[in-house]
Amino acid sequence: RKEVEQDPGPFNVPEGATVAFNCTYSNSASQSFFWYRQDCRKEPKLLMSVYSSGNEDGRFTAQLNRASQYISLLIRDSKLSDSATYLCVVNYGYYSGAGSYQLTFGKGTKLSVIP
Amino acid sequence: DAGVTQSPTHLIKTRGQHVTLRCSPISGHKSVSWYQQVLGQGPQFIFQYYEKEERGRGNFPDRFSARQFPNYSSELNVNALLLGDSALYLCASSWGGQGDTEAFFGQGTRLTVV
Repeated sequence: RKEVEQDPGPFNVPEGATVAFNCTYSNSASQSFFWYRQDCRKEPKLLMSVYSSGNEDGRFTAQLNRASQYISLLIRDSKLSDSATYLCVVNYGYYSGAGSYQLTFGKGTKLSVIP
Repeated sequence: DAGVTQSPTHLIKTRGQHVTLRCSPISGHKSVSWYQQVLGQGPQFIFQYYEKEERGRGNFPDRFSARQFPNYSSELNVNALLLGDSALYLCASSWGGQGDTEAFFGQGTRLTVV
């Protein structure tokens, strides 16, 4: 079983649509969770951290369910500029020792927002 | 302020050769991590260094090695290159070594092995 699994995609949605991405992780010792965005042939950039209480940043809402080991990202009112690959990321390194930081990425889900 | 810088941006090598990739973290950041991203996949963790000490190693063969210098810059070395080493190599820096600090990625080095 892969450590971080995401919807395979791609997702093709019209402008203004709401789209949801799902992710599951296998290591219950994971301590921190993120969604990164990666544009074609560019480096990943942090979109938002994900907390158990859920968090929102404008049109983006992230949820974490530790019991189910499940993470989600909701994008409302999709814009053309949201077209990118969305990467679900967990940090497994926190308990590997002080100062340890090891991000594990999902394969990514490609989103295309269509005019 | 300059972001994470990597050099070179592109590189073509022949099988069996050796390669050295370089990374300069954001000023003030003490942690540097390396990732390999093969086309169509998410980045895969290779190494993490914090305060010049190795703090994490991913599932990569011994042909891969790295180090961090006193100025916190880092090198990733790969020996005996294989075709399968062709990938985008990403460097990420963060202020601390803890998992709740944001990691900033460089633009990557695109390595092609022929």
